[in-house]
Amino acid sequence: QKEVEQDPGPLSVPEGAIVSLNCTYSNSAFQYFMWYRQYSRKGPELLMYTYSSGNKEDGRFTAQVDKSSKYISLFIRDSQPSDSATYLCAMSSILTGGGNKLTFGTGTQLKVEL
Amino acid sequence: SQTIHQWPATLVQPVGSPLSLECTVEGTSNPNLYWYRQAAGRGLQLLFYSVGIGQISSEVPQNLSASRPQDRQFILSSKKLLLSDSGFYLCAWEQGSTEAFFGQGTRLTVV
Repeated sequence: QKEVEQDPGPLSVPEGAIVSLNCTYSNSAFQYFMWYRQYSRKGPELLMYTYSSGNKEDGRFTAQVDKSSKYISLFIRDSQPSDSATYLCAMSSILTGGGNKLTFGTGTQLKVEL
Repeated sequence: SQTIHQWPATLVQPVGSPLSLECTVEGTSNPNLYWYRQAAGRGLQLLFYSVGIGQISSEVPQNLSASRPQDRQFILSSKKLLLSDSGFYLCAWEQGSTEAFFGQGTRLTVV
């Protein structure tokens, strides 16, 4: 079983739709939860960063964490064609030598159509 | 503001050739630095990390090595590339928090 599971999609939605992206995880040591957006052939861009269970909102994006269920979500409101990208969930754990290791899902490919 | 540079963006190398990928960070000091690899259909996998000059830790045993000759410079190397080394290599930094920021990556194809 993978530590982080993410539906690869592809997910296709019309412009203006609400998008829901999800990940589940199995490792209780994960402390921080992130969502990255990755355009084709580019590096991942940090979108949202959360620690505790609950919701965090930033513009059209809402990140939700449920530690009891080991489940995280990213909601995108009023989706735009420019939101078309691959969305990666990532979870951090402390490295023994210092620093933090990110464990990623495989990413969900999203296409927002006009 | 902080920026991270990676080069080259694309690289095609024959099997058995050496490799050197470079990453530099600007606008910060003493960052934690990371090399990740992204293979098709798989999530990003941590390869190496460094918390200071000359300090390198490996997460996955493999054909690659890393070095940190300066505070804001991180290098990924190989003496002899294998076909299985093909992938998208990403450098990342963070400092004092778990918010990691990535470079634009190097797409390596070993032929």
